[in-house]
Amino acid sequence: ETGVTQTPRHLVMGMTNKKSLKCEQHLGHNAMYWYKQSAKKPLELMFVYSLEERVENNSVPSRFSPECPNSSHLFLHLHTLQPEDSALYLCASSQDWTARFDEQYFGPGTRLTVT
Amino acid sequence: GENVEQHPSTLSVQEGDSAVIKCTYSDSASNYFPWYKQELGKGPQLIIDIRSNVGEKKDQRIAVTLNKTAKHFSLHITETQPEDSAVYFCAASSGGYQKVTFGTGTKLQVIP
Repeated sequence: ETGVTQTPRHLVMGMTNKKSLKCEQHLGHNAMYWYKQSAKKPLELMFVYSLEERVENNSVPSRFSPECPNSSHLFLHLHTLQPEDSALYLCASSQDWTARFDEQYFGPGTRLTVT
Repeated sequence: GENVEQHPSTLSVQEGDSAVIKCTYSDSASNYFPWYKQELGKGPQLIIDIRSNVGEKKDQRIAVTLNKTAKHFSLHITETQPEDSAVYFCAASSGGYQKVTFGTGTKLQVIP
């Protein structure tokens, strides 16, 4: 596989469930990102990791817990979510987190529905 | 902070016609303006970008213009084709990842 992949592509979960989203990049990049995309709202940056170290936590509620075991993999652990958390969750990677905001490669996203 | 407004939210054009999407920004420090195309079921893909030292940039059927004085930039697609149908996002950045603001998107439909 090439580029940035995300699994699952679709997820339906209840508010008391615990689930995880997975992202994998095959580009040799050093930085990975989680974004939230809600209908009719701008893309929201959630977390940034550089070489497995979190460098940004953009005021995200603690019910979202990221994990970056290595520079190729990024997880987003979900627990006790709210219906308003339903959205498309996008993963992205770039060569260097300190670089200008350009050349970010996005995955296809996970469509999350919280019931 | 930066505020990016994007218009229109939806746009329908006949195949072969041109499409124009406009964005305005508020922070005069913004110096990088990328445009993304997001097809159904896929993540956003960078299609063209422009930096503040340039007024216009063209890549085949796609062009972007920037007016720094008025703080607006536009995406122009000529000779539209059905495969141009997608959601297009603009963004404005004054630095790294932490200084980027996205527009709300324009859903473009090209009618065959």
